[in-house]
Amino acid sequence: AQSVAQPEDQVNVAEGNPLTVKCTYSVSGNPYLFWYVQYPNRGLQFLLKYITGDNLVKGSYGFEAEFNKSQTSFHLKKPSALVSDSALYFCAVLTARQLTFGSGTQLTVLP
Amino acid sequence: GAGVSQSPRYKVTKRGQDVALRCDPISGHVSLYWYRQALGQGPEFLTYFNYEAQQDKSGLPNDRFSAERPEGSISTLTIQRTEQRDSAMYRCASSFSRTGNTYEQYFGPGTRLTVT
Repeated sequence: AQSVAQPEDQVNVAEGNPLTVKCTYSVSGNPYLFWYVQYPNRGLQFLLKYITGDNLVKGSYGFEAEFNKSQTSFHLKKPSALVSDSALYFCAVLTARQLTFGSGTQLTVLP
Repeated sequence: GAGVSQSPRYKVTKRGQDVALRCDPISGHVSLYWYRQALGQGPEFLTYFNYEAQQDKSGLPNDRFSAERPEGSISTLTIQRTEQRDSAMYRCASSFSRTGNTYEQYFGPGTRLTVT
């Protein structure tokens, strides 16, 4: 069965510093991987996806993620964090049309 | 353009009552998904449709839960004889392609269900 792990419940970073939100996955076959962001009282917003091709994928709002097959990881990154990036981030893997989500990482960017 | 909409946004009901949650997908999206999200957790899959056909209902927790999409657009998730453990955020998502080759799913704001 597929699974996603987000080992950090909370990540704090200073504004302007680079940020990383970690994700590892377990799936048979080729992984289809996603990052979503959830702001308070709003739905999940799609950020980016890895399906195939270049291991570094770029998404919305300056976010990017690096797919590493040997480490089964798909970490979310941004070179310079903004206070407005503070939100709950979810990593997910798609199998048989179902998204399986991690438990989420609360990112707080401190001014 | 308009995104996925869900109604009601909040629903408080008494144990034992039936509830119906509505989802209106993005126009033109042929696939529709239902997820349930407990507090502090990621969403969990319940069921999905291609057009009006329910393709997978393996995530529905028991036979009190059912879903339909009779005209291939709006969907209703119904929970009969609600129990307190049904309290959660219910999220709907849609995606464009029947074959899944656009992959990403777009989520609505959710319905917060509280069973008292």
